[in-house]
Amino acid sequence: GQQVMQIPQYQHVQEGEDFTTYCNSSTTLSNIQWYKQRPGGHPVFLIQLVKSGEVKKQKRLTFQFGEAKKNSSLHITATQTTDVGTYFCARVSGSARQLTFGSGTQLTVLP
Amino acid sequence: DTGVSQDPRHKITKRGQNVTFRCDPISEHNRLYWYRQTLGQGPEFLTYFQNEAQLEKSRLLSDRFSAERPKGSFSTLEIQRTEQGDSAMYLCASSLVGAETQYFGPGTRLLVL
Repeated sequence: GQQVMQIPQYQHVQEGEDFTTYCNSSTTLSNIQWYKQRPGGHPVFLIQLVKSGEVKKQKRLTFQFGEAKKNSSLHITATQTTDVGTYFCARVSGSARQLTFGSGTQLTVLP
Repeated sequence: DTGVSQDPRHKITKRGQNVTFRCDPISEHNRLYWYRQTLGQGPEFLTYFQNEAQLEKSRLLSDRFSAERPKGSFSTLEIQRTEQGDSAMYLCASSLVGAETQYFGPGTRLLVL
């Protein structure tokens, strides 16, 4: 299938350090979404990127969509313990507009 | 709370038993999705409803699985003759036609012994 690959699988950071997760596709993406899932919780929508080279910011979170629309990244500046969770990228496709998720990056923030 | 709700939140069953899960989407949302998530993986798409019509089914949805949305509101997902490999979190999500954002419910965690 048309998978999205996500790295790293795990990331441990000290509180205050920055964090980045990367999402890559072998095919051009029409758009990319990012979700956060807290431990024991469900995925919560963060943002959608549509345009080539798009950059969007939400407070300490910066989302980028590559020029070729084949990769995306999420960067968190100065992590806090509330940032703990798994971050997923997902592509939207098909007439059903279903989501195909990456495998996620599990972020642990050490106080 | 007017978000997506799912019932039950947890289900333990023995292999071979049938189980049924319910999803209540956000009231005005006409799109409803079922996903399955296993430990350490992202959710995988199972099936999609637009109003009461089931328009898309994944190859993951074996013939032991059936989903309904009889009146275009709540949906049920039934698994017949459960197997240990069915153990997973079953997530429901809803959205509006024309909107790309999906809102997920809290999920039903199934354990098949």
